[in-house]
Amino acid sequence: QKEVEQDPGPLSVPEGAIVSLNCTYSNSAFQYFMWYRQYSRKGPELLMYTYSSGNKEDGRFTAQVDKSSKYISLFIRDSQPSDSATYLCAGGGTSGSARQLTFGSGTQLTVLP
Amino acid sequence: DSGVTQTPKHLITATGQRVTLRCSPRSGDLSVYWYQQSLDQGLQFLIQYYNGEERAKGNILERFSAQQFPDLHSELNLSSLELGDSALYFCASSVEVRGEAFFGQGTRLTVV
Repeated sequence: QKEVEQDPGPLSVPEGAIVSLNCTYSNSAFQYFMWYRQYSRKGPELLMYTYSSGNKEDGRFTAQVDKSSKYISLFIRDSQPSDSATYLCAGGGTSGSARQLTFGSGTQLTVLP
Repeated sequence: DSGVTQTPKHLITATGQRVTLRCSPRSGDLSVYWYQQSLDQGLQFLIQYYNGEERAKGNILERFSAQQFPDLHSELNLSSLELGDSALYFCASSVEVRGEAFFGQGTRLTVV
């Protein structure tokens, strides 16, 4: 079992839709989580960083962490064609294997105009 | 622009050869990570350095090695290259051993 599981998609939505991207993780030592956006095998771009359970909002993006169920989500409101990319979730920590920043395999999103 | 610089952007080399990939972290960042991304795989963690010391090691092949220099730039050395080593190699940096990690644009390695 991979430490971070992510539905690879592809996911296709119309412009303006709310997008929900999800990951589950198994490593209890993960303390913080990040969401990245990667265009066409360019360098991943950091979107959100969260350290605790709960919600964090930044513009059209909301990251949600539920450590009790080991579930993390990214919501994108008012999605735009420019949001079409692969979205990667990652977990990390300070002890054991969690010291490796571990990534999910990515969800490919297409926003249709 | 994340502030992380990787050189070269592209590299084509023959099997059996050795190459060195270079990474300059963001100003002030002490931690450097290296990742490999193949066509059919996600980001695979190779190794992390913090202020010159190895911090964490992933499934890095024995043919691969890395180091972080006193000026905090890092180099990833890949030797006895095989066709299967063709991939994107990314470097990321963060201020501390944990926390927000910012990626460079990667080095695309093609082994022929």
